Amino acid sequence: EAGVVQSPRYKIIEKKQPVAFWCNPISGHNTLYWYLQNLGQGPELLIRYENEEAVDDSQLPKDRFSAERLKGVDSTLKIQPAELGDSAVYLCASSLTLFSGNTGELFFGEGSRLTVL
Amino acid sequence: GDSVTQMEGPVTLSEEAFLTINCTYTATGYPSLFWYVQYPGEGLQLLLKATKADDKGSNKGFEATYRKETTSFHLEKGSVQVSDSAVYFCALSYVNTDKLIFGTGTRLQVFP
Repeated sequence: EAGVVQSPRYKIIEKKQPVAFWCNPISGHNTLYWYLQNLGQGPELLIRYENEEAVDDSQLPKDRFSAERLKGVDSTLKIQPAELGDSAVYLCASSLTLFSGNTGELFFGEGSRLTVL
Repeated sequence: GDSVTQMEGPVTLSEEAFLTINCTYTATGYPSLFWYVQYPGEGLQLLLKATKADDKGSNKGFEATYRKETTSFHLEKGSVQVSDSAVYFCALSYVNTDKLIFGTGTRLQVFP
């Protein structure tokens, strides 16, 4: 079974440019997460989806960040415009929903490393 | 708010040494506790978990016991291997939120 797939793995852009990250969760996982991981820090939740609904986006900086999961499967995270401080690793994770056997385990992709120059 | 505190790394050990990575938490309720591991070039993956006080999670020779009285979930292994070299994250979540709160991670380096 394929794991969580993210792309691109690496992205280097200049500040003020836009950037987008794509995530394909594990088949059958209705819950999808985007986490931000700064260097030397633990991941921090940006947004959580239940199917196509964003149920927790309180930590998403909405002035420049946006996310979508239109058909309840793939998701895209966008930053526009990017700032120097956005350099980090953006992690996508998925899980079963609480009522379909979720044991609390999240399955993570390898992450997308963004460098803003 | 809820938080997780881990010992700073890197932790450097020789092969077959005993490992302890400390983790303490602050929580308003009764969370589940997790250890995730990130091997070089790979995504985070669940190592073990415990869902209530006094539970012991174990996997691949690693163990951690949920200690409510000391609000701790220390990771231990009796004999580490070079292949255990990775970054280890302690985390908590509540069963009705699905939201993981991570510590800052502890890098373990094991030398032959």
